[in-house]
Amino acid sequence: EVQLVESGGGLIQPGGSLRLSCAASGFLVSGDYMSWVRQAPGKGLEWVSVIYSGGTTFYAESVEGRFTLSRDTSKNILYLEMNRLRVEDTAVYYCATSCGGGCYDIYDFWGQGTMVTVSS
Amino acid sequence: DIQMTQSPSSVSASVGDRVTITCRASQDISNWLAWYQQKPGKAPKPLIYAASRLQSGVPSKFSGSGSGTEFTLTISSLQPEDFATYYCQQTHSFPRTFGQGTRVEIK
Repeated sequence: EVQLVESGGGLIQPGGSLRLSCAASGFLVSGDYMSWVRQAPGKGLEWVSVIYSGGTTFYAESVEGRFTLSRDTSKNILYLEMNRLRVEDTAVYYCATSCGGGCYDIYDFWGQGTMVTVSS
Repeated sequence: DIQMTQSPSSVSASVGDRVTITCRASQDISNWLAWYQQKPGKAPKPLIYAASRLQSGVPSKFSGSGSGTEFTLTISSLQPEDFATYYCQQTHSFPRTFGQGTRVEIK
């Protein structure tokens, strides 16, 4: 059974750093496309970043240069390192997986989300 | 970036009603479009991919159509469990972008 479990969220001051984790089971994080999507309180969904099975990454312009996506294949965990956090980064962060272009990149499995609050 | 615009932003409907949601892309995305359902406090659930293909396990009352820049999601007979917010997403190019969402409410 595919399962994604996010952790690492919390309250952080503006300018601070946080690392989110997404622990995967039932599949290999190195074998699929892995993405982060966020949702600010009461708002819609916003795509954040993706890492391809080959390791290529893409980021939303709003986080480019501040967020870094990586993975630990030995632990089967996806990470989102978030630096220079801003108030507008406050959101629930979801990790999601897709099988890539073969399934038109639909995000078929999602975690439960982890809340990040950036506030002084 | 490709802008995705959904209409309406919200719709009030009764059980048994047929509901149609429209999603427009700011440029041609062929059929690289997905639809998701989200209930309060929960992660989004995939419904449709490639504009019209039903995700595994999703009931056939959901259907999608369209290509290019205009797409629709139809729920053929609304049931209590279908009251939720629906999002379209283009998967044609980066950055991936979502529509602003359509809230389906009980009339």
